[in-house]
Amino acid sequence: GAGVSQSPSNKVTEKGKDVELRCDPISGHTALYWYRQSLGQGLEFLIYFQGNSAPDKSGLPSDRFSAERTGGSVSTLTIQRTQQEDSAVYLCASSLVGGETQYFGPGTRLLVL
Amino acid sequence: AQKVTQAQTEISVVEKEDVTLDCVYETRDTTYYLFWYKQPPSGELVFLIRRNSFDEQNEISGRYSWNFQKSTSSFNFTITASQVVDSAVYFCALSEPTNFGNEKLTFGTGTRLTIIP
Repeated sequence: GAGVSQSPSNKVTEKGKDVELRCDPISGHTALYWYRQSLGQGLEFLIYFQGNSAPDKSGLPSDRFSAERTGGSVSTLTIQRTQQEDSAVYLCASSLVGGETQYFGPGTRLLVL
Repeated sequence: AQKVTQAQTEISVVEKEDVTLDCVYETRDTTYYLFWYKQPPSGELVFLIRRNSFDEQNEISGRYSWNFQKSTSSFNFTITASQVVDSAVYFCALSEPTNFGNEKLTFGTGTRLTIIP
C-alpha cells in the first residue's frame, strides 16, 4: 500500500507570505503527526491529531503556525507571515493509532527568502 | 524532560566492517518505547525498530542488531558487514506519552554513517 505522501516536495517563498503544506497519511491510520527538521534544532515535534479528538498543539513554535485535519485524513500545516527561521524540512508521520509506530513521509523542504 | 543523546556525530568505516551507533536516553517514565530510524540521502525517515522498555532482549534482524541495556539507559545499534547502502543518517528516538494519549517522539541529533567502498 501507499505510504505517507506530502506536497509540495519543495517550496520557496518570500518572507511575510503564507504557506500551506499538505500531508496524506497511510490509509486507515487514525493518528497523524507533524515534525520539523532544521539544522539548528534537529527533529522537533509540532502537532498531533487522533481521530476527532482535540489535537496536541504543544510543539507549535508560535501562533503563526496552525494545522487542521479534515475528515480524519488529509492534514494541512499552515505557516502565516513566514520568517527565515521557518526554513526547514517539514515531516509528516502517521500511525495506526496514537502510540503505535510512526511512519514518515518524504517531507516538504521549505525555504524562506 | 526526556532527552536522547547520540554522541557520535559522524562515523566512517570501510565496507564490510562492523559498526556500532550509540544511543543514550533519559526519561522519568517507567513505560516507554525506543526507536531507530534511518534517513538516507533521499530524506525520508525509514523505521527500523521499536522496543518496549520492559523487553530487554537483544534483537537481530539480518545484518542489524540492537542492544538494549536499561541499567545504562542505552539502546545501541550495530550493523554487521556494512554495505555502501547503509550510508545514511541514523536517528535514535524515545517516545513520550502525553495527556492526549499519543507518543510524541524525542529524537537524538543523529549519527551520519558513511560506508567507504
